[in-house]
Amino acid sequence: GAGVSQSPRYKVTKRGQDVALRCDPISGHVSLYWYRQALGQGPEFLTYFNYEAQQDKSGLPNDRFSAERPEGSISTLTIQRTEQRDSAMYRCASIEGASGRVNTEAFFGQGTRLTVV
Amino acid sequence: AQSVAQPEDQVNVAEGNPLTVKCTYSVSGNPYLFWYVQYPNRGLQFLLKYITGDNLVKGSYGFEAEFNKSQTSFHLKKPSALVSDSALYFCAVRDTLRNTDKLIFGTGTRLQVFP
Repeated sequence: GAGVSQSPRYKVTKRGQDVALRCDPISGHVSLYWYRQALGQGPEFLTYFNYEAQQDKSGLPNDRFSAERPEGSISTLTIQRTEQRDSAMYRCASIEGASGRVNTEAFFGQGTRLTVV
Repeated sequence: AQSVAQPEDQVNVAEGNPLTVKCTYSVSGNPYLFWYVQYPNRGLQFLLKYITGDNLVKGSYGFEAEFNKSQTSFHLKKPSALVSDSALYFCAVRDTLRNTDKLIFGTGTRLQVFP
């Protein structure tokens, strides 16, 4: 696609429900990142992939959070048993190259605003 | 572990004056450094990057940044600020060591340019 696409743009869910956030990166981009951004704050690293391999998930807050990218393209971030503190903007970014030889910039999607009520 | 710091939450400058937004970093290898801008209710947009070579890099909208290895800094600058430059600015770093190369962002600096 022309840019990084995230869906849904807005998600309101009840506490305790599971949610799945989708990211469709720029075609051919190898690296895919997930970030969480609170209002007025910087993007907080959650996890990233090179191709289908999850390289680092050290930023995932707890085991309710998981991510996958099974075919090396579209990725899904899943939050189980959502809590109010999970409310935030979730952003996805893709980068053209993979580890060790990346000098290109990340391209960000518009994000998914998650509200847990 | 890599990290990036933006020591100023907010920078205020009068239109037409030069501006500087500060960023310092910590990495194990050599850094790849980036600046992004975020306008209200918008996504993050790439401004400029330092990979190697000339320490002064130029980017979009008249912005530039100076890489200083000895001070581990990558400050964003513009000779003459515009009101339309008012936004949130984020510095980001990637470590070039293969196993530690995730892209990390600073907490952001709000730039306010007054007419």
